[in-house]
Amino acid sequence: ETGVTQTPRHLVMGMTNKKSLKCEQHLGHNAMYWYKQSAKKPLELMFVYSLEERVENNSVPSRFSPECPNSSHLFLHLHTLQPEDSALYLCASSQEQGRNEKLFFGSGTQLSVL
Amino acid sequence: GNSVTQMEGPVTLSEEAFLTINCTYTATGYPSLFWYVQYPGEGLQLLLKATKADDKGSNKGFEATYRKETTSFHLEKGSVQVSDSAVYFCALLVSGGYNKLIFGAGTRLAVHP
Repeated sequence: ETGVTQTPRHLVMGMTNKKSLKCEQHLGHNAMYWYKQSAKKPLELMFVYSLEERVENNSVPSRFSPECPNSSHLFLHLHTLQPEDSALYLCASSQEQGRNEKLFFGSGTQLSVL
Repeated sequence: GNSVTQMEGPVTLSEEAFLTINCTYTATGYPSLFWYVQYPGEGLQLLLKATKADDKGSNKGFEATYRKETTSFHLEKGSVQVSDSAVYFCALLVSGGYNKLIFGAGTRLAVHP
């Protein structure tokens, strides 16, 4: 148990559906991240929130919409996804501390888009 | 730009064999370097880290040395166990207004009895 909880663990959705991924951390961290993990590709950083403010958006399509209502919760809202969006979506948190920063990851949501 | 390149897996070894997983990086400045491990069905966990040149990170029998001259951070273990079977990710930390961790593609390790 890393202190970062993601729900649901698995999600199957059609291209016209709207769904949300949820991430919760109980570690008192001040930064949260969404990563996309696809087979044989580097983990892709999608969004970074620092002190509840979005500080990075790596050219992610608008069909992915993040929300960070407070320092403990992070959401990823999904709508009109494509089959190539099928992947493992990982949430992480950290307490920014310079060169020693360590990320704590959740177990991920395995998303399948049909 | 900043990037990490890892050897392509899978790496298949017998128990007690010696392990090396190569990692090289490209970065502006002097990043911190990390190895993360992902066991089946789980998220990534920090395995070890090094924050400056010639530092050696170590944990659970794994070691990696920060080599600035070769821009490398190869992961080694003298005697692997079946329980080491997992995906290993090399990563570098880019510092700026906020910190950003950039990962390689991961290397799958399978250890057989």
